[in-house]
Amino acid sequence: GESVGLHLPTLSVQEGDNSIINCAYSNSASDYFIWYKQESGKGPQFIIDIRSNMDKRQGQRVTVLLNKTVKHLSLQIAATQPGDSAVYFCAENSGYSTLTFGKGTMLLVSP
Amino acid sequence: GAVVSQHPSRVICKSGTSVKIECRSLDFQATTMFWYRQFPKKSLMLMATSNEGSKATYEQGVEKDKFLINHASLTLSTLTVTSAHPEDSSFYICSADSTSGSGETQYFGPGTRLLVL
Repeated sequence: GESVGLHLPTLSVQEGDNSIINCAYSNSASDYFIWYKQESGKGPQFIIDIRSNMDKRQGQRVTVLLNKTVKHLSLQIAATQPGDSAVYFCAENSGYSTLTFGKGTMLLVSP
Repeated sequence: GAVVSQHPSRVICKSGTSVKIECRSLDFQATTMFWYRQFPKKSLMLMATSNEGSKATYEQGVEKDKFLINHASLTLSTLTVTSAHPEDSSFYICSADSTSGSGETQYFGPGTRLLVL
C-alpha cells in the first residue's frame, strides 16, 4: 500500500506486481517531464521522459502517463523486481533551463 | 556515454573549514552544469546553474559567497563550501547538460556526501 506523511511517501509492492507512482506537478507551462530513479547514496538515474504534446510514452517495462488537465504524471513499472527498489522523482522543465523536482516516492519491492 | 563524475564521494571536515567538490563530464562537453543539495529523505533542491566562462546563477536563498562555483572549462565545475558549518552537512549532486543549455538533458553525478563536525 501507499503511505504519506512526515516521511517520504512509500509504495510497497510484491515482486512481479505492477507499480504505479504518481506525481503532481505545479507549473502549467512545463512542457517536458522526466522520471528519475535514485538508489541510496547515488545520483538520480534517468528512466523515461515525455513532452507535453504526448499523453503516453512507453519504454522497457516502464510507461509514463501525462494528464495536463489536472497536472498529473504517473510512472508505471511492469513486473516490478527487487532491483526496482529506490526513490523515484518526477521532474519538470518549464523552459527556464532548469528542472524542478517533485518530492519523491520510495518504492519497496519485497520478494 | 554521458558520464558525470564527482570528487570526493564523501568528505568529513571540521566546522569553519572550506571544502571543494569537483564535477566533471567525462565524455562530453557541458556548457551548463547544475548543483543540487539533497537532505535525507528529501528531494533535490537546485542551488545554482553554472555556465562555462561566466558567473553562476544562484537560486533564491542560496548564499553565493558561501557556495562558490567555478566553471573553468567545458568539462569541470567546482563547488566550494566556505566556512562550513554542521547545517551544511548534506548530499551535494551535480549534473551536466549535454545539449545547448536547455536544461532538459541533465546527466547526474554520483553525489558527494559532506559531513561537517
